[in-house]
Amino acid sequence: AQSVTQLDSQVPVFEEAPVELRCNYSSSVSVYLFWYVQYPNQGLQLLLKYLSGSTLVKGINGFEAEFNKSQTSFHLRKPSVHISDTAEYFCAVSERTGRRALTFGSGTRLQVQP
Amino acid sequence: DSGVTQTPKHLITATGQRVTLRCSPRSGDLSVYWYQQSLDQGLQFLIHYYNGEERAKGNILERFSAQQFPDLHSELNLSSLELGDSALYFCASSPYRDYGYTFGSGTRLTVV
Repeated sequence: AQSVTQLDSQVPVFEEAPVELRCNYSSSVSVYLFWYVQYPNQGLQLLLKYLSGSTLVKGINGFEAEFNKSQTSFHLRKPSVHISDTAEYFCAVSERTGRRALTFGSGTRLQVQP
Repeated sequence: DSGVTQTPKHLITATGQRVTLRCSPRSGDLSVYWYQQSLDQGLQFLIHYYNGEERAKGNILERFSAQQFPDLHSELNLSSLELGDSALYFCASSPYRDYGYTFGSGTRLTVV
């Protein structure tokens, strides 16, 4: 079984400032890693995913994440945020083999202030 | 538009009733996943179907059931509804052996 911990429930940040949303996971098997964004009253949109290869993954809207196997982390970063980035962000994992359903973290609300 | 269609978008019903939520996956995707999102439980995996067959169950109550039809659309049936079943229900689809998941916009169920 896997579990995902998003260490911050809310992250307030000023516009054009950098931001990091933290994600740690626990799993007895190898996993794939994902970040999803949910805007108010909408579904989840895939930001980026780590399947294999380079541990630095670039996604949409200027976001990137780095997979750190030794620390079992997959933190999401953006060098300069915009008001439009205000949303809920979810980290998720799935097993590389076997059950493929996503296990989600509890989410981090990013609030970008002018 | 993500390509995954869920209907209806909103549903209000009374306790004890039964409802059916529908999901049409993205064209070509054989896998359909159902998730429940609530304030207290977060995003919980309910059930996974692949090409008409049940593949995995998560935290799905016995009052809930699902199926995937030959045209690959899926239905989630919720019966004997309780106030606590009020939540957003999401469907996601993915192609076989590709670990991308595309989510629909969800069905918001309110049980009164």
